[in-house]
Amino acid sequence: NAGVTQTPKFQVLKTGQSMTLQCAQDMNHNSMYWYRQDPGMGLRLIYYSASEGTTDKGEVPNGYNVSRLNKREFSLRLESAAPSQTSVYFCASSFQEAYEQYFGPGTRLTVT
Amino acid sequence: RKEVEQDPGPFNVPEGATVAFNCTYSNSASQSFFWYRQDCRKEPKLLMSVYSSGNEDGRFTAQLNRASQYISLLIRDSKLSDSATYLCVVFAYNNNDMRFGAGTRLTVKP
Repeated sequence: NAGVTQTPKFQVLKTGQSMTLQCAQDMNHNSMYWYRQDPGMGLRLIYYSASEGTTDKGEVPNGYNVSRLNKREFSLRLESAAPSQTSVYFCASSFQEAYEQYFGPGTRLTVT
Repeated sequence: RKEVEQDPGPFNVPEGATVAFNCTYSNSASQSFFWYRQDCRKEPKLLMSVYSSGNEDGRFTAQLNRASQYISLLIRDSKLSDSATYLCVVFAYNNNDMRFGAGTRLTVKP
């Protein structure tokens, strides 16, 4: 039982490049989330998907897009990376909104 | 004002000590409350949910005070392995998202 998995673990991008962060869960959860974590800021919600087929903006959605590919997978895309997007990105899932969330190991992204 | 606020610490305590953290939240419609633990460069992991009546799990006790809008975490008989950052998490249905505090860092020393 892998829980929540994320790829890649590390990534370095140049300004303007694009990339997609992948996330998958095997817990049959309905809701999935993308967060970024910056020093002193705590985790901030980028986008979430309350259920398969729906996505909504969180606190800091600008510069990102998401796709809920199916119940298991939720991807985060940076179309044109900026240095301000240097951060650690966590994917999480929960049975439903308001329930406890389970996190993947994170992706450490550096944009130069 | 941040929606969820925690004292960042660090709290440095000796093994065996009792330590308590508070977390205040601003949204009075908040409905679900959690404490997570995060080790350095790792993902957050659920420590415990916080129920209205308060709840205990071994050495850990969580309390909720709705009137004053804060939750607390008490750790008794601290172990070296308790060293971590503790995150307070609040969910409000009118926001429809989880809000995380920035975390309180705890170091337990021999």
